[in-house]
Formats: sequence, structure tokens, C-alpha cells
Amino acid sequence: AQSVTQLDSQVPVFEEAPVELRCNYSSSVSVYLFWYVQYPNQGLQLLLKYLSGSTLVKGINGFEAEFNKSQTSFHLRKPSVHISDTAEYFCAVILGGFQKLVFGTGTRLLVSP
Amino acid sequence: DVKVTQSSRYLVKRTGEKVFLECVQDMDHENMFWYRQDPGLGLRLIYFSYDVKMKEKGDIPEGYSVSREKKERFSLILESASTNQTSMYLCASSLRSLDQPQHFGDGTRLSIL
Repeated sequence: AQSVTQLDSQVPVFEEAPVELRCNYSSSVSVYLFWYVQYPNQGLQLLLKYLSGSTLVKGINGFEAEFNKSQTSFHLRKPSVHISDTAEYFCAVILGGFQKLVFGTGTRLLVSP
Repeated sequence: DVKVTQSSRYLVKRTGEKVFLECVQDMDHENMFWYRQDPGLGLRLIYFSYDVKMKEKGDIPEGYSVSREKKERFSLILESASTNQTSMYLCASSLRSLDQPQHFGDGTRLSIL
């Protein structure tokens, strides 16, 4: 069965520090991979997506992610975080066929001054 | 910009009541989705629809039904609300193509007393 694992439920960092949020998926078929962000009291919005091609994907707000097929990972990174990046981040995958997203359990990023 | 509007941000109902959650999108999207979000569990798909009057069960359809009479509107129905249905409910829509992201509403926080 397809599953997505976000290893960290919460990641505290200081402002301007780099951050990596980890995501691993289990699948033996081609996948489409997404990162979504949820700010407090809001719905989810797309940060970035990987469909095919270059394994390094750049998204909004300075985030990027690298698809690693051999390690079945799609970790999210930002070289320098801001207070405004405090939010919950969800990794998600789609199996080929229909747009049914499978979400990880989320990682709460807490940025402090 | 795509706009997905959920009719209520907060809703309080009593056990046994029939509850309707409404979702409207303004971008002529074919696909619409209902998720529930619970701490530590991420988002779980309840039902989705890929066309008017079409519906498919997601991962946790028990206790819920849906209606899609018009392309822009997707309703989630709790036939007889129970306390374990207290949760955040998120609606999303997307174009049919797999490379298109899902667009989310701001959510409805439903409390069943």
C-alpha cells in the first residue's frame, strides 16, 4: 500500500537558520510528489511539486525539494527561514491513474527569533 | 486565482443531527474532494467526485455521504452526527490532469456535542 512518512512531527528552528523537513514514501510505481503548507486557520496551499525531469524542484517562498528515487525521499529545504514560515507542512503523493492524494501526518515548523 | 469557498468556518451541532457542509469552487474544476484533518493523522480522504453526479469513496467514507448536483458545488453530509466526527473538514478542487494541484478551502471546524 502507498504510504507517506514524515519523520518529524515538529521542528523548532531559529530565524535565518537552514531547515530540512523529511518525507519518505513507499511505492514501487511512478509517483507524483507534492509539498503543501498550511498557515494557522487556513487551508492548504501548494509549495512545490515533482512530476518528472530534474530532481531538484524549486517552489514558492524560497523552498526547494529534491526527489531521490533510490532512497524514496522528497525532503523539503530552505537555506534561511523567517518567522513567517511558521506553519504546518504536508508531503503528499499521487499514484498514477487518478488524482487521489495520500498525505503524510504533517510537520509543524516553529521559527523563533 | 482559484477560489474554494466553504460555507462555514465554525459549526456546532448535536449528536444525531443531519449536518450539511457546503463547498463551492469558481474555476470550473472537474474534480472535487472532501478531507478531514485530525492532529497526528494528517488529511484523510472521505469522498471525491470527478464529474457532476459522480462520486467515489475515499479512505474513510463511513458515516458520510456526498452530493454533486452542479459542477461548482460539492456537499458533504453527516447523516447522523456523532462525537467522533468532531474535526476540521477541508474541501478541495482540481482540474482532471494529474499534474494539476488541488486547491483548498479554509476549512470548517465542526464540533459535535
